[in-house]
Amino acid sequence: TQLLEQSPQFLSIQEGENLTVYCNSSSVFSSLQWYRQEPGEGPVLLVTVVTGGEVKKLKRLTFQFGDARKDSSLHITAAQPGDTGLYLCAGARQAGTALIFGKGTTLSVSS
Amino acid sequence: GAVVSQHPSRVICKSGTSVKIECRSLDFQATTMFWYRQFPKQSLMLMATSNEGSKATYEQGVEKDKFLINHASLTLSTLTVTSAHPEDSSFYICSARPTGRDNEQFFGPGTRLTVL
Repeated sequence: TQLLEQSPQFLSIQEGENLTVYCNSSSVFSSLQWYRQEPGEGPVLLVTVVTGGEVKKLKRLTFQFGDARKDSSLHITAAQPGDTGLYLCAGARQAGTALIFGKGTTLSVSS
Repeated sequence: GAVVSQHPSRVICKSGTSVKIECRSLDFQATTMFWYRQFPKQSLMLMATSNEGSKATYEQGVEKDKFLINHASLTLSTLTVTSAHPEDSSFYICSARPTGRDNEQFFGPGTRLTVL
C-alpha cells in the first residue's frame, strides 16, 4: 500500500495550459515537500509546507497543504516547456524522520 | 548554502566487487542522513537512515550486510554495496538533514551504479 498516493502519474499538455497534481494520504504528515527531478540528477526542493491549510506560491506554481495535513496539491499556471520533468511529493510523518515519497508525476509540456 | 555532494557520480563494476559511495554535506552539519534507491521511471525508495556515531536503521527488506552504512562524521556518510550483482544496478541518492532543522532535507545529485 502506497502511503502517499500521487496523481496523475503521467501528464502531457500544451504550453499555456494549467494543471494540478495531487498527493493524498489517509495519514497525517508533520510536513510535506514538493520536489522536481531531472533525469540523472537528485531531487531539487521546491517548497515545504507544515501548517494545515497553508498556501505557498512560487512564481507560476501554487502549493497547498490540506487542512487536516493529509493531502497536498501543486498547481501550475500557464505551463511552459521548461516545466517538463518529474514532480515528487514527499512527506514526513514526524519532524526529523525520513521522507516518504509518492510515485511521482511525469510532466511533459510541448510547445 | 545547503549543498550535498555524492561521489562518484557514476560507477561501473564487475559482479562480485564492492563499491563505496560517499555523501557529504558541504556547508552544514548533518546528524542524520538518508539513503534512497531509485529504479528507472520510479520514485525514491528509502533504504536506511544513517545517524552520526550510531548504527544505521534499515528499512524492511534491505539487507544490512549487503548495504553497509557508515556515518563517521557530521558531514560524511558512506554506503558500501558489498558483492554487487546486476540486480543492484540502480540510482542511489542520499539526503542530509541539517542539524536542528527537522523539516528540511537536501538531496545529493545521485550515483548511478551499473553492475556488469
